[in-house]
Amino acid sequence: EDQVTQSPEALRLQEGESSSLNCSYTVSGLRGLFWYRQDPGKGPEFLFTLYSAGEEKEKERLKATLTKKESFLHITAPKPEDSATYLCAVQARSSASKIIFGSGTRLSIRP
Amino acid sequence: EAQVTQNPRYLITVTGKKLTVTCSQNMNHEYMSWYRQDPGLGLRQIYYSMNVEVTDKGDVPEGYKVSRKEKRNFPLILESPSPNQTSLYFCASRAGTSGGNTDTQYFGPGTRLTVL
Repeated sequence: EDQVTQSPEALRLQEGESSSLNCSYTVSGLRGLFWYRQDPGKGPEFLFTLYSAGEEKEKERLKATLTKKESFLHITAPKPEDSATYLCAVQARSSASKIIFGSGTRLSIRP
Repeated sequence: EAQVTQNPRYLITVTGKKLTVTCSQNMNHEYMSWYRQDPGLGLRQIYYSMNVEVTDKGDVPEGYKVSRKEKRNFPLILESPSPNQTSLYFCASRAGTSGGNTDTQYFGPGTRLTVL
């Protein structure tokens, strides 16, 4: 069964304190792995898509990496405005439309 | 502006009173989906549509109906809502796949539904 597990559930950091969020996945042939940011009361906002092991993508203070079993979202020198819930999702190669989400990591950055 | 819109944004109703949540996208996307989001469970797919008149069940379709008569619209219908359908609902759309890669999925702002 395809599955996505994110850890930790919640993470509190000091401004400038770098860290990583983990997304472990089990899928029968990966078509794509996605990272989203979600602010309270809003819809998820797309960040990255990764397609194959070894791939990396960056955007401002965020960098996403992918292996055959997991993905990491690295946050370098975070700022309070990076506080949000970060969601990971996967799509199997066998599926045209089904996308499975993890339950998210709630990130809080203290000034 | 490219966007996915949902209405209403907030709804309080009573058990058994039929309701429809509308979803519309202006990006000419083929794929549209409905998700519900509950604390600790993440986003779960209810139904999806790959094009006009083509829909299929997601992980939690019980108690819901959808239709796709036009490419831009994908309404979610609760024929007889129950309290366990109290949740935050999101509509999403994407173009499809390009060269085997999945295109970006865009989400609406959400509809917070309470069923008493």
